Amino acid sequence: RKEVEQDPGPFNVPEGATVAFNCTYSNSASQSFFWYRQDCRKEPKLLMSVYSSGNEDGRFTAQLNRASQYISLLIRDSKLSDSATYLCVVNIWGGSQGNLIFGKGTKLSVKP
Amino acid sequence: NAGVTQTPKFRVLKTGQSMTLLCAQDMNHEYMYWYRQDPGMGLRLIHYSVGEGTTAKGEVPDGYNVSRLKKQNFLLGLESAAPSQTSVYFCASSYMGSGETQYFGPGTRLLVL
Repeated sequence: RKEVEQDPGPFNVPEGATVAFNCTYSNSASQSFFWYRQDCRKEPKLLMSVYSSGNEDGRFTAQLNRASQYISLLIRDSKLSDSATYLCVVNIWGGSQGNLIFGKGTKLSVKP
Repeated sequence: NAGVTQTPKFRVLKTGQSMTLLCAQDMNHEYMYWYRQDPGMGLRLIHYSVGEGTTAKGEVPDGYNVSRLKKQNFLLGLESAAPSQTSVYFCASSYMGSGETQYFGPGTRLLVL
């Protein structure tokens, strides 16, 4: 089983739609969770950290389910500028220091 | 404040040639990392450093060497390039390690013929 798995997509949605991405991770020792965003031919950038209680940043909501080893990202009222690849990222405490495990990403395309 | 910069942006090598990729950060971060990204693959860690003068192997270190002589710089070397090393290379840095946000450079596209 891969360490971090994501649906590769692509997700093609109209502007204004709500879209949800899911991610599962295999190591129950994982302690830190993130969503990064990567635009085409650009570097990844942190979108948001994911906290146990769930957290929201504007139109974006992240949730964590430790029991199921599952992370989600919800985007409401999609904008054209949300088109990108979304990377689920997990860190394991006690492993290689600073070692983030990246999923392969889920591609989102928002159409007018 | 430039963040993380990488040199060069693009390079074409012939098999067997050597080169060095330079990463520089101006955020006074302790940790620095080199990743490669290939189509259909996630980012994979090549080597990393937890401070000036230290380096450690990541997931895919073979064929690469690194040095961190100055805190702000992290160099990635390819001694004898192979076509399998054709990839996009990203450098990143973070203030500390586990759990900290990593800031990425713009990437270096390397083609090995």
